[in-house]
Amino acid sequence: EVQLVESRGGLVQPGGSLRLSCAASGFTFSSYGMNWVRQAPGKGLEWLSYISSSTTPIYYADSVKGRFTISRDNAKNSLYLQMNSLRAEDTAVYYCARGQFGDPYYFDYWGQGTLVTVSS
Amino acid sequence: EIVLTQSPATLSLSPGERATLSCRASQSVSSYLAWYQQKPGQAPRLLIYDASNRATGIPARFSGSGSGTDFTLTISSLEPEDFALYYCQQRSNWPRTFGQGTKLEIK
Repeated sequence: EVQLVESRGGLVQPGGSLRLSCAASGFTFSSYGMNWVRQAPGKGLEWLSYISSSTTPIYYADSVKGRFTISRDNAKNSLYLQMNSLRAEDTAVYYCARGQFGDPYYFDYWGQGTLVTVSS
Repeated sequence: EIVLTQSPATLSLSPGERATLSCRASQSVSSYLAWYQQKPGQAPRLLIYDASNRATGIPARFSGSGSGTDFTLTISSLEPEDFALYYCQQRSNWPRTFGQGTKLEIK
């Protein structure tokens, strides 16, 4: 069974940093591109970043480019999102999502999501 | 960035009725469009990819159509568990973008 489990989010002050992780199991993690997608409270879905199975290429949404960094450790079956210079508008539930068929196209499995709140 | 506009924002129907949800792209995305279902407190679930292909395990009552800029998700006969939020998503260009969603509610 495919499982994606995000680490606990939490409350972060504006300007602060947080690193999210996503533990993958039930599939060959090293063969799949992975994504981060977020959802602000009561709002729609926003794709944030993609990393290929081999680490490159990497893509970012403009809203997080230069502040967030996606990475992965295939030996540990883990995906990461380093979030710096956090803003109030980054408050959201953050999901890791697998690329369907390993491709950078659609998202076929999602984690349960983790809430990140940016507030003083 | 490709903007996806979904309509209507809310659709009120009864179980057994047919639902038709629309997604319009600001420029052609060919057939590179997916549909997701999201229930409260849950992650989204992939329903349809490449406009008309059902994802694994998705019931046959869900179907998708369209190409270019206009797409439709049809649910042929609504089951109680189908009342949820629905999003479209394009994979034609980076960044990947989603529509703002259509809420399918029980009438």
